[in-house]
Amino acid sequence: DAKTTQPNSMESNEEEPVHLPCNHSTISGTDYIHWYRQLPSQGPEYVIHGLTSNVNNRMASLAIAEDRKSSTLILHRATLRDAAVYYCILRDGYNNNDMRFGAGTRLTVKP
Amino acid sequence: EPEVTQTPSHQVTQMGQEVILRCVPISNHLYFYWYRQILGQKVEFLVSFYNNEISEKSEIFDDQFSVERPDGSNFTLKIRSTKLEDSAMYFCASRRTGWAYGYTFGSGTRLTVV
Repeated sequence: DAKTTQPNSMESNEEEPVHLPCNHSTISGTDYIHWYRQLPSQGPEYVIHGLTSNVNNRMASLAIAEDRKSSTLILHRATLRDAAVYYCILRDGYNNNDMRFGAGTRLTVKP
Repeated sequence: EPEVTQTPSHQVTQMGQEVILRCVPISNHLYFYWYRQILGQKVEFLVSFYNNEISEKSEIFDDQFSVERPDGSNFTLKIRSTKLEDSAMYFCASRRTGWAYGYTFGSGTRLTVV
């Protein structure tokens, strides 16, 4: 699996936007960029994924750099419930390999 | 919204005993997974299962572990002879066919080996 690099932790204020960065300089052409999050004492939860174009859903937006070597997960208005560990994961769409988690970014949201 | 259901939520077992962790994946999902997370550590991949056979397994998934889909709805993880270091949260996940879909995880089973 191609590796990703994320900051260990980030802080945000409630109701402000949050930009969570991820570097994946060795990404291959068939790697999809996936984001999951894990709330305290819960299982991981799918957030969003994309290949080349920016993506939006009801939870978040995913901005992918033109060279695909980095991406940013955007939470438009952080709430206390968004406090979690956020994982950026690459999955090879061609080989259909399975998902491996790194350490992720622990997001703290301050009221 | 459909859920992946795991039972029990917490299991305590004696070292050396066999345990079976149970999962009911989402009904139209065809890919199934087990992960574990030791307290304070990252989520680790154990095994994936498709079409009634193991697709991929990690180095953690040794001969002590096995998976089974005994009927059309359940997906189980068996640990034959538990060790203290098997104490962890075990998460089951499933997904639909196709790249438009992510994994759906269950809430986990906390296994405590004493």
